[in-house]
Amino acid sequence: DAGVTQSPTHLIKTRGQQVTLRCSPKSGHDTVSWYQQALGQGPQFIFQYYEEEERQRGNFPDRFSGHQYPNYSSELNVNALLLGDSALYLCASSLGRKNEQFFGPGTRLTVL
Amino acid sequence: RKEVEQDPGPFNVPEGATVAFNCTYSNSASQSFFWYRQDCRKEPKLLMSVYSSGNEDGRFTAQLNRASQYISLLIRDSKLSDSATYLCVGGYQKVTFGIGTKLQVIP
Repeated sequence: DAGVTQSPTHLIKTRGQQVTLRCSPKSGHDTVSWYQQALGQGPQFIFQYYEEEERQRGNFPDRFSGHQYPNYSSELNVNALLLGDSALYLCASSLGRKNEQFFGPGTRLTVL
Repeated sequence: RKEVEQDPGPFNVPEGATVAFNCTYSNSASQSFFWYRQDCRKEPKLLMSVYSSGNEDGRFTAQLNRASQYISLLIRDSKLSDSATYLCVGGYQKVTFGIGTKLQVIP
């Protein structure tokens, strides 16, 4: 039973560039949430996708956008990258919107 | 005031000790609570859900106090392998993580 997978594992970009991160949920899960975790901080909620729609959003600017596909996989897109976007980006999946979430290994993004 | 607050620690405890962490939440309408464990540079892993009646899993006990708006995690007979950061999760309408409490179990 495959858990949550994310790609790529590491990424280096320069300021102003755009990035797309990908996530495949745990088998049987239909909800995907994205988090940003800076060093020494807890994960910060970016948004949640359910039934291919953004259902909830945290305090992140419009530069952060996403998508969910019919097979429940999801993408996180960040435009006009800033140095402060450097962080570990975590994807979590769940069955339903309020149940326990299971995390993928994350994508470590470095913006130079 | 943050929606979910934790003492970041670190908590340094000897092997075999009992240690407890508390986590307060500000929104009384919050419904779902969890404890996650995160090892250095790894993803958070679900440790326990927190139910109103409290729940226990081996050496770990989680409790919810709605009157005082906090959840707790008790670890008995600490092992070296328990060394990690423990994240509490709560929130109303959206999932909110605390900053995490760092636990170091010392031989």
